[in-house]
Amino acid sequence: AQKVTQAQTEISVVEKEDVTLDCVYETRDTTYYLFWYKQPPSGELVFLIRRNSFDEQNEISGRYSWNFQKSTSSFNFTITASQVVDSAVYFCALSEAGDDKIIFGKGTRLHILP
Amino acid sequence: SAVISQKPSRDICQRGTSLTIQCQVDSQVTMMFWYRQQPGQSLTLIATANQGSEATYESGFVIDKFPISRPNLTFSTLTVSNMSPEDSSIYLCSLEVTGGSGDTQYFGPGTRLTVL
Repeated sequence: AQKVTQAQTEISVVEKEDVTLDCVYETRDTTYYLFWYKQPPSGELVFLIRRNSFDEQNEISGRYSWNFQKSTSSFNFTITASQVVDSAVYFCALSEAGDDKIIFGKGTRLHILP
Repeated sequence: SAVISQKPSRDICQRGTSLTIQCQVDSQVTMMFWYRQQPGQSLTLIATANQGSEATYESGFVIDKFPISRPNLTFSTLTVSNMSPEDSSIYLCSLEVTGGSGDTQYFGPGTRLTVL
């Protein structure tokens, strides 16, 4: 069965600090896809990244970086030099090949304090 | 990615009434999805809506409570019927975009529903 665990319910850091959001997933499929979405206070869900199971390269996009480790079934998200605008709920998600359904984690609420 | 709009953006409704939420996309898409996000919770898939066929509902969701229409490739509606306070949630539609390396779902801005 598919499952996504975001153990950190809520995190608070001071602006300019780095912060890592953890995501651990479970799947029996060998081909699957991992996602991160951002939900700011306004409520919309913003797509951040999609990673295929066969691509373990880490990715960096500006202040955002993602570390995909199949050996530990983890797909962690790091924000470098955090800013107040990064305050949001962040969801990690998983879908399996051939299944359009996305399974979301419970989300991590991130507070960036000025 | 496509531009997705939802109407209404928010509403406050009375118990026992029904609300229809509209989802409009600026390009033709085959698959659209409806999700519910209860307060402080994660997203749960209600149903998948393909144009020209009946919506496919997930366990725990039924057509009588959440009827869905998909009249064309750019539009869908979700109705929340006979509402109760437990239906207070954000309802989001999404669409699936197929790219070179696979499919990604993009979400509309959501409809924030409060049932009194």
